[in-house]
Amino acid sequence: KNQVEQSPQSLIILEGKNCTLQCNYTVSPFSNLRWYKQDTGRGPVSLTIMTFSENTKSNGRYTATLDADTKQSSLHITASQLSDSASYICVVSAYGGATNKLIFGTGTLLAVQP
Amino acid sequence: GAGVSQSPRYKVAKRGQDVALRCDPISGHVSLFWYQQALGQGPEFLTYFQNEAQLDKSGLPSDRFFAERPEGSVSTLKIQRTQQEDSAVYLCASSLHPLRGGLRSYNEQFFGPGTRLTVL
Repeated sequence: KNQVEQSPQSLIILEGKNCTLQCNYTVSPFSNLRWYKQDTGRGPVSLTIMTFSENTKSNGRYTATLDADTKQSSLHITASQLSDSASYICVVSAYGGATNKLIFGTGTLLAVQP
Repeated sequence: GAGVSQSPRYKVAKRGQDVALRCDPISGHVSLFWYQQALGQGPEFLTYFQNEAQLDKSGLPSDRFFAERPEGSVSTLKIQRTQQEDSAVYLCASSLHPLRGGLRSYNEQFFGPGTRLTVL
């Protein structure tokens, strides 16, 4: 069964600190992996997307890594800010022939405290 | 508007009532998706439209759920005889291009703010 698991479920860090969120997936065949940020009461917003041939992608203070062999990805946030407080969702696209399906993880809820 | 909009933002319904949720995608976007997001969970796919054609409705949980996009722009998700387990945030997303398959296929989806449905 195609699944995306994220850890930790929730995380509290102090402003200015770094953190790393993990994503493991069992989706096959794999097309691409995306990280989304979802603020409370808002829809998800794309941060990064990586295909199987890419192993790192940066977007400002966000850096995503992908190991397609071990089926693991991480999202590293540098010098956290209060506005980084949100849910971070790992999404894997499964190659499905005519159309690809997005499979969402349950998210990591990040709280950045002053 | 520049983004995907949804209305209403909040809806409270009594069990057994019918509800209709509206999505206005980004102008010109061909693809439109509906997702259901339960509290503390990631979104789960409900249905997909390419223009006015509903190409995939495999995620609709029951025949009480019905979606349409008659003119290929605005879409409505209708839930008949609502049940408490229907309580969730319903997200709409749109994408510029048709959804395609393939190892290198990528189609960025832009999400609306969602409609939070509470069934009492």
